[in-house]
Amino acid sequence: EARLVESGGGLVKPGGSLRLSCAASGFTFKNAWMSWVRQAPGKGLEWVGRIKSKTDGETTDYAAPVKGRFTISRDDSKNTLYLQMNSLKTEDTAMYYCTSLTWNYVHFWGQGTLVTVSS
Amino acid sequence: QSVLTQPPSASGTPGQRVTISCSTSSSNVGTNAVNWYQQLPGTAPKLLIYNNDQRPSGVPDRFSGSKSATSASLAISGLQSEDEADYYCAARDDSLIGWLFGGGTKLTVL
Repeated sequence: EARLVESGGGLVKPGGSLRLSCAASGFTFKNAWMSWVRQAPGKGLEWVGRIKSKTDGETTDYAAPVKGRFTISRDDSKNTLYLQMNSLKTEDTAMYYCTSLTWNYVHFWGQGTLVTVSS
Repeated sequence: QSVLTQPPSASGTPGQRVTISCSTSSSNVGTNAVNWYQQLPGTAPKLLIYNNDQRPSGVPDRFSGSKSATSASLAISGLQSEDEADYYCAARDDSLIGWLFGGGTKLTVL
């Protein structure tokens, strides 16, 4: 069974940076497309961005609110996905979920890591 | 911008059948498969229905999905108290090169 474990969340000031990690196990990580989805407190789900597998070019795409500030990367040797978040804003406060993807759907979800942006 | 629209709330009594709708005005999203996620209180979302009407292993057959051109539905039959959760529809948006989520429906079992 696939398992995704996020870490790295915490409290950061507006304008600051944070890097989230997601350790994957139970599936062939190097072949998987991966994404981040976030959920602001009491709100719905919002797709953040996606990274394809290396064999598919390791291409990344991002949602408009985070484009230019967030960067998704992966280290297949460590079965780990990353989300580098820069120039953080208060509206980035959310639970951040690491997920695996197929072409048509978001598949497995981690338990999430909470990011709070506040002065 | 493409939008997936869900009713904010739904309710039913134990044993009843409940349906939750998900509609879009976008022909782009409308051509793609709709998926459904269940989020129990305080937990991460879980895939409930994929490719419009397919259930992952372990999901009871009380849950079913259907889709027409610009609308999809999740049906829950034999409602149980443990079905009380938030339910989200989602679909790939090719213009966004990403995924759209509906606003979520809070299901209450009375």
